[in-house]
Amino acid sequence: QLQLQESGPGLVKPSETLSLTCNVSGGSISSNSYFWGWIRQPPGKGLEWIGSMSYRGITYYNPSLKSRVTLSVDTSKNRFSLKLSSVTAADTAVYFCASIYDSRGYWFYWGQGTRVTVSS
Amino acid sequence: DIQMTQSPSTLSASVGDRVTITCRASQSISSWLAWYQQKPGKAPKVLIYKASNLESGVPSRFSGSGSGTEFTLTISSLQPDDFATYYCQQYNTYSTFGQGTKVEIK
Repeated sequence: QLQLQESGPGLVKPSETLSLTCNVSGGSISSNSYFWGWIRQPPGKGLEWIGSMSYRGITYYNPSLKSRVTLSVDTSKNRFSLKLSSVTAADTAVYFCASIYDSRGYWFYWGQGTRVTVSS
Repeated sequence: DIQMTQSPSTLSASVGDRVTITCRASQSISSWLAWYQQKPGKAPKVLIYKASNLESGVPSRFSGSGSGTEFTLTISSLQPDDFATYYCQQYNTYSTFGQGTKVEIK
């Protein structure tokens, strides 16, 4: 059973870069069975897909965020990461890491989510 | 970009009611649609995939239908555990979620 756990600062200053990591256990991040991604949820609002990637580095980004997002994989530590630059208050949200299993296309495994507030 | 529109935004219902939520895509997504249930403070959980396939372990009172641009999620007999927010998600092109439907107690 795959388990995902987000980690990173809960408070980020405006104009700075938000950095989060998702630690994967119960499976290998280098497996061809999974696709990895990030989804966020602003307070009281719906879900927004940020981006997805394979362990080989194939990435897909939400067009509305593409210019500010970088996804990466660290196979040695079995984890993947999100960087979102030039943050504003609009980037305040709960950030979930998630995984697509076996090319199914939908998000099957989820982390518990981590709250990030953008404020000075 | 493919936009997903859910209706209604909020639905008030009683235990035992039949509930239907609609999701419309801005262009055809074939059957590449999933439905999720989310409870406060928790991550979403997938209920239905490929428009009408019930995920393992999900109660059979949940069902999905549709293809192309129009989809529905039906709960045949609402149970106390079903009061939650429901999201559709297209995965025909990248990933887009609907804005959510909150099912609340009437």
